[in-house]
Amino acid sequence: QITLKESGPTLVKPTQTLTLTCTFSGFSLSTSGVGVGWIRQPPGKALEWLAVIYWDDDKRYSPSLKSRLAIIKDTSRDQVVLTMTKTDPVDTATYYCVLHRGTYLKWGQGTLVTVST
Amino acid sequence: EIVLTQSPGTLSLSPGERVTLSCRASQSVNSNYLAWYQQKPGQTPRLLIFGASSRATGIPDRFGGSGSGTDFTLTISRLEPEDFAVYYCQQYGSSVWTFGQGTKVEI
Repeated sequence: QITLKESGPTLVKPTQTLTLTCTFSGFSLSTSGVGVGWIRQPPGKALEWLAVIYWDDDKRYSPSLKSRLAIIKDTSRDQVVLTMTKTDPVDTATYYCVLHRGTYLKWGQGTLVTVST
Repeated sequence: EIVLTQSPGTLSLSPGERVTLSCRASQSVNSNYLAWYQQKPGQTPRLLIFGASSRATGIPDRFGGSGSGTDFTLTISRLEPEDFAVYYCQQYGSSVWTFGQGTKVEI
């Protein structure tokens, strides 16, 4: 059974760095073709893709957020970590991690992060 | 970056009706890496269709996906009361994934 679970702070102050962890099971990020990505959704707004990392360490970022994002994988711990620098209240959103394997997708349940003083 | 345009923005329908939602891409979507999601208020997006036409686990067969290249469609053969929601398309075949802006299906 494939599962993904997001974890991280629920509240961060503006300008701080946000670090989110996706812990997964049921697949390996060492397997060819497998990737784990991050997507977010501000309250009441549309979905926005952030980044993805693949089995071969290929990393892709949203062009509009590229300068603020970093994604890494820890294959031994079955985790993917996303960091976002210089947070702002507009970064308040539910953050989801997602498995990409071939044409298949599987999402985690998401974690709500509020950026506020 | 591939831009996905969903139409219409809002659909007002009744239970039992057939629904066709459109998702048009600004460039061809690679190998049909096109997904559809359903989202209800306060809930996580629910994957309906992946690979343009494959139903996700547990999705009723009244939901169907079709299309290729730049034009994709989600069809709901007969609307059930629980189908009133916002529907998003997503392409994940290029180096930059993108989402459509959503179509709201309302009563």
